[in-house]
Amino acid sequence: EAQVTQNPRYLITVTGKKLTVTCSQNMNHEYMSWYRQDPGLGLRQIYYSMNVEVTDKGDVPEGYKVSRKEKRNFPLILESPSPNQTSLYFCASSLPTGGYVTQYFGPGTRLTVL
Amino acid sequence: EDQVTQSPEALRLQEGESSSLNCSYTVSGLRGLFWYRQDPGKGPEFLFTLYSAGEEKEKERLKATLTKKESFLHITAPKPEDSATYLCAVLGDTGFQKLVFGTGTRLLVSP
Repeated sequence: EAQVTQNPRYLITVTGKKLTVTCSQNMNHEYMSWYRQDPGLGLRQIYYSMNVEVTDKGDVPEGYKVSRKEKRNFPLILESPSPNQTSLYFCASSLPTGGYVTQYFGPGTRLTVL
Repeated sequence: EDQVTQSPEALRLQEGESSSLNCSYTVSGLRGLFWYRQDPGKGPEFLFTLYSAGEEKEKERLKATLTKKESFLHITAPKPEDSATYLCAVLGDTGFQKLVFGTGTRLLVSP
């Protein structure tokens, strides 16, 4: 089954404790992206990757890091989480075919930083 | 800056009561307008992509239309299982693959 998976699905942590949220897709998609979703603000892009070893900032990259060492995986790293990073996070992937693409989303990771 | 505004924020319908959701947008060079459905606690599920004004797409009770300034998601004879948040997003020519989302319309269909 074609899908985007994220782990963990739920996480409660404390300020300053480094964490990683994993994202994996089995569709051989070149493009992957991370979003956060907050009430009243909608989905906002954090980082994206056009292919292995190619990443760039989205609209809200502060406090986050990413890496793309393999095509299927795109982990999101919070080196020193803070309470304002409490949010619902989504990973998405797509094939950049001719620029008109559909992004497929993972099930989400609900993060709470105390 | 690309922007998407969705209205209404919330909509309550009786089963069978047709209605429309609105997505107004401003974008530099529209490359695509996307509709997603999101159920509570889940990721957005792709519904439609529209590329140019005048285009229409249908899926079961849903029909999406596009003009140069807005898109409508028409829901015909909705059922309770259509209850969800419907998200609109645009892809412009600034920023590679960058989707700009609206805040969504929460739809509740009562039996």
